[in-house]
Amino acid sequence: NAGVTQTPKFQVLKTGQSMTLQCAQDMNHNSMYWYRQDPGMGLRLIYYSASEGTTDKGEVPNGYNVSRLNKREFSLRLESAAPSQTSVYFCASSEAGTQTDTQYFGPGTRLTVL
Amino acid sequence: AQSVSQHNHHVILSEAASLELGCNYSYGGTVNLFWYVQYPGQHLQLLLKYFSGDPLVKGIKGFEAEFIKSKFSFNLRKPSVQWSDTAEYFCAVSPYSSASKIIFGSGTRLSIRP
Repeated sequence: NAGVTQTPKFQVLKTGQSMTLQCAQDMNHNSMYWYRQDPGMGLRLIYYSASEGTTDKGEVPNGYNVSRLNKREFSLRLESAAPSQTSVYFCASSEAGTQTDTQYFGPGTRLTVL
Repeated sequence: AQSVSQHNHHVILSEAASLELGCNYSYGGTVNLFWYVQYPGQHLQLLLKYFSGDPLVKGIKGFEAEFIKSKFSFNLRKPSVQWSDTAEYFCAVSPYSSASKIIFGSGTRLSIRP
């Protein structure tokens, strides 16, 4: 099993450009998440999807949209990138539905917005 | 609202030294507690977790953590660190009733001198 995969690994954008970060998991997990990681701030939840067909805002959703394409895939879109969105983005998945839920993380996408 | 505090931002130790990383959380109810590790250039991996039962939890690579409910703490320990333990360590907490709503601390960078 590959676990959680993310593409691309690196991306440089200019202010105002748009892009979509892709995430896929092969563990048959119900829940998927997008986080951003900034120095000194840990991980902050952007959006999550508790199950296929549902999405909810996390702590820092402004400037982002998500799509839960199917059970395996959960994409994150930046419609008009801003320098404040320079960060490392992690996707995660978890089985959900149980109180012993554990999240499994992808390798991350390092995004720079100029 | 729940929150997690990691008091040490950067810890530097020599090989074979003992390690204790502090983690305190704020939440009024029952919680799940986690420690994740991020090795340089890699994604987050679960080190250990506490859901219920014995408050002393053992994880991978010789790490352990103790849940002290009266102190709202979940400190990470290792009796003798190795150079390969150089990484960033994140404490995280989620409400027992909603394991998906996990909040991460800001992280502690651990540097081990060979």
